[in-house]
Amino acid sequence: GQNIDQPTEMTATEGAIVQINCTYQTSGFNGLFWYQQHAGEAPTFLSYNVLDGLEEKGRFSSFLSRSKGYSYLLLKELQMKDSASYLCAVRDYDNTDKLIFGTGTRLQVFP
Amino acid sequence: EAGVTQFPSHSVIEKGQTVTLRCDPISGHDNLYWYRRVMGKEIKFLLHFVKESKQDESGMPNNRFLAERTGGTYSTLKVQPAELEDSGVYFCASSQEGGYGTEAFFGQGTRLTVV
Repeated sequence: GQNIDQPTEMTATEGAIVQINCTYQTSGFNGLFWYQQHAGEAPTFLSYNVLDGLEEKGRFSSFLSRSKGYSYLLLKELQMKDSASYLCAVRDYDNTDKLIFGTGTRLQVFP
Repeated sequence: EAGVTQFPSHSVIEKGQTVTLRCDPISGHDNLYWYRRVMGKEIKFLLHFVKESKQDESGMPNNRFLAERTGGTYSTLKVQPAELEDSGVYFCASSQEGGYGTEAFFGQGTRLTVV
């Protein structure tokens, strides 16, 4: 079956670093995406990994290990505006490149 | 450049009624997806259009749901008749022709409440 696991909630302090983990078991794999979603808004793209290793983009970094079915999103120098849900999604390429989502991790950043 | 837009943003209907959701993808995006999130659950795939053709509709819950994309531009998702369990947030996403790292851009969703 298709299964993507990530923690439901996390809290952190402004200025700190937080790591959100995601493990996946899917029949196919054609990349892993991280999206950010503020309440009532559209999910917005943060990062994409298809090869093992770390992808860095400003304050956000994402890591992938395909052999372990594992990814994490690293957020540095946390700001209050980073309070949001973070969605891990695997692109499953069988005959379509649909995304399979985890339930999302709600991150609260406190001053 | 306009993003993915969805209409309406909210809809409250009674059980047994019909509702039609609309999605306007980013201009030039051949791929259009419908997803749904019911309360407390993950976002789940419903179907995928490539231009006007249905590439994959394996996620459609049942035959009460009908999606169309005439002309390969905007898409509609009709629920007829609506049931209580259809309540949730319906997201539309679009992307360019597939390739490395091709990301899907999401609309802000239509929140459907069936009472």
